[in-house]
Amino acid sequence: AQSVTQLDSHVSVSEGTPVLLRCNYSSSYSPSLFWYVQHPNKGLQLLLKYTSAATLVKGINGFEAEFKKSETSFHLTKPSAHMSDAAEYFCVVRGSYIPTFGRGTSLIVHP
Amino acid sequence: EAGVTQFPSHSVIEKGQTVTLRCDPISGHDNLYWYRRVMGKEIKFLLHFVKESKQDESGMPNNRFLAERTGGTYSTLKVQPAELEDSGVYFCASSQDLYYGYTFGSGTRLTVV
Repeated sequence: AQSVTQLDSHVSVSEGTPVLLRCNYSSSYSPSLFWYVQHPNKGLQLLLKYTSAATLVKGINGFEAEFKKSETSFHLTKPSAHMSDAAEYFCVVRGSYIPTFGRGTSLIVHP
Repeated sequence: EAGVTQFPSHSVIEKGQTVTLRCDPISGHDNLYWYRRVMGKEIKFLLHFVKESKQDESGMPNNRFLAERTGGTYSTLKVQPAELEDSGVYFCASSQDLYYGYTFGSGTRLTVV
């Protein structure tokens, strides 16, 4: 069995400040973990993925995430938010072969 | 390479009608998934194809939903007859193998009125 919990339904930041989107997972297998982003009226875009290589994963647009097995977490971070980062973000875990989505976190960026 | 293509992008139908959604995966991707997001809820798994075979259809809500994948290429998801609660965004994704990320289509927004 597997599950993923995104701890915040909404996160609000000011432009230029750091972003932290939290994700905890559980899985009976060694998981692969992903972050996807969905901008309004767009499809889901892969930001980054962890597949048992380096625990610190760098993705597109300056995002990165760190896999922490002891904490079962895979939080997404970015040093400085841009207005264009405003979107919905999904953490996804795949333990067996079916990916399971978190509920999503809406990132709001204020000027 | 071309991405995952879904069409139509939007569909508005009346309760009781039939709708067919189509997904064209990335060429060579054996794995194809259907997901659905009902408004305000999480994205839920519907089913998984490996080539033309249904690997897992445990997420299909009921027998009004029928998915097919012709010759291991494109896939269709038919809803017959549609009900109001079927409204949502239907996503398709494909994957080369289990170690790669999944490439998603832009989704089909289905509205049943």
